[in-house]
Amino acid sequence: EIVLTQSPATLSLSPGERATLSCRASQSVSSYLAWYQQKPGQAPRLLIYDASNRATGIPARFSGSGSGTDFTLTISSLEPEDFAVYYCQQRSNWVALTFGGGTKVEIK
Amino acid sequence: QVQLVESGGGVVQPGGSLRLSCAASEFIFSNYGMHWVRQAPGKGLEWVAFIRYDGNNKNYAESVKGRFTISRDNSKNTLYLQMNSLRAEDTAVYYCAKDRTTVTTMDFDYWGQGTLVTVSS
Repeated sequence: EIVLTQSPATLSLSPGERATLSCRASQSVSSYLAWYQQKPGQAPRLLIYDASNRATGIPARFSGSGSGTDFTLTISSLEPEDFAVYYCQQRSNWVALTFGGGTKVEIK
Repeated sequence: QVQLVESGGGVVQPGGSLRLSCAASEFIFSNYGMHWVRQAPGKGLEWVAFIRYDGNNKNYAESVKGRFTISRDNSKNTLYLQMNSLRAEDTAVYYCAKDRTTVTTMDFDYWGQGTLVTVSS
């Protein structure tokens, strides 16, 4: 099983600040990594697929980068609606899809 | 707009069974692979199972293999999850999720609102 480790667990920032979230894989997943946003009481929403492609309707302030084992989700300038939990997910191993443990972005 | 509506959750005793359903609309259901993903209370996301668009290929997480069965009825635009031999650790919100493209990608572009399964005596 490919283990995804997200850091930090919690990120305390103010609106307008830049957020940088990390996801590290226990082995290479090539570019087969997605990012999701989840707000309390809601289902997750796809933000980024294949490491750097924004999903339909996702604002340009969200960007993804990386390949192999190290990935980054960047929110260039936090809006109030961006405070949420973010998960990465690998699809390199189809028989055992895995998610990271999540990073909570909270208001400082 | 794609819609996925889960149902069938509830409280069940350890060792019991439950069948979840997910009604899909506003997309061509028979063209897409589908998944179940769960989230224990206050915890992260865990992928549970996948079924190919035609039902002929299925994958399961090790934690549910041999106990859960994913299936679909393309004539009814409905996805199912039959859960047997339930354990306390199966307590979670269960989401159905749509594969991102018609060529299986194993990531999820639309999710239902989830249905809560509680395994408790």
